[in-house]
Amino acid sequence: DARVTQTPRHKVTEMGQEVTMRCQPILGHNTVFWYRQTMMQGLELLAYFRNRAPLDDSGMPKDRFSAEMPDATLATLKIQPSEPRDSAVYFCASGLREEQFFGPGTRLTVL
Amino acid sequence: GIQVEQSPPDLILQEGANSTLRCNFSDSVNNLQWFHQNPWGQLINLFYIPSGTKQNGRLSATTVATERYSLLYISSSQTTDSGVYFCAVVGGTSYGKLTFGQGTILTVHP
Repeated sequence: DARVTQTPRHKVTEMGQEVTMRCQPILGHNTVFWYRQTMMQGLELLAYFRNRAPLDDSGMPKDRFSAEMPDATLATLKIQPSEPRDSAVYFCASGLREEQFFGPGTRLTVL
Repeated sequence: GIQVEQSPPDLILQEGANSTLRCNFSDSVNNLQWFHQNPWGQLINLFYIPSGTKQNGRLSATTVATERYSLLYISSSQTTDSGVYFCAVVGGTSYGKLTFGQGTILTVHP
């Protein structure tokens, strides 16, 4: 049963700490997306990769967020330093053509 | 960018009732997906339906791309159908970026 996996599922940290979230896309999918869900903003795109190359990260605060794909089986989203306003659920999604499939999300709480 | 509006924002049903959820979008789309976010927060793919009609059990969906709307039908609703239903689209110039509506919160009472 192919699915997107994300770790950790929950993360509580203090303001100023570094946070790294990981995603394993579905094997064979060539697009990877990072979305963030908050009560105020809903679901919004942070970054988008195709064949491991970043295509769009305009939704990401550049000074503190970074996204990478070190290989085809791993995508990372890093926040350094974290702030309370970063508290949200971060979803990774992958796709081969148009349809996107979402992972279970990482619930981040920054105190 | 493309705008996505969903209605109604909230819906309360008794088990066994039928319902129709609507999604309007402001421009042509390359992709339209319906998701169910369950009470545990997981986003479950229901339909990939940029045009036409599809059915999966008690659920069906229709997208009329020329008129810029999609409908999700839920028949014989069950308590497990409760959650938030999202419509999300990829606009013609958005190369993969899903823009989500604000969702319809569905509550099904036994």
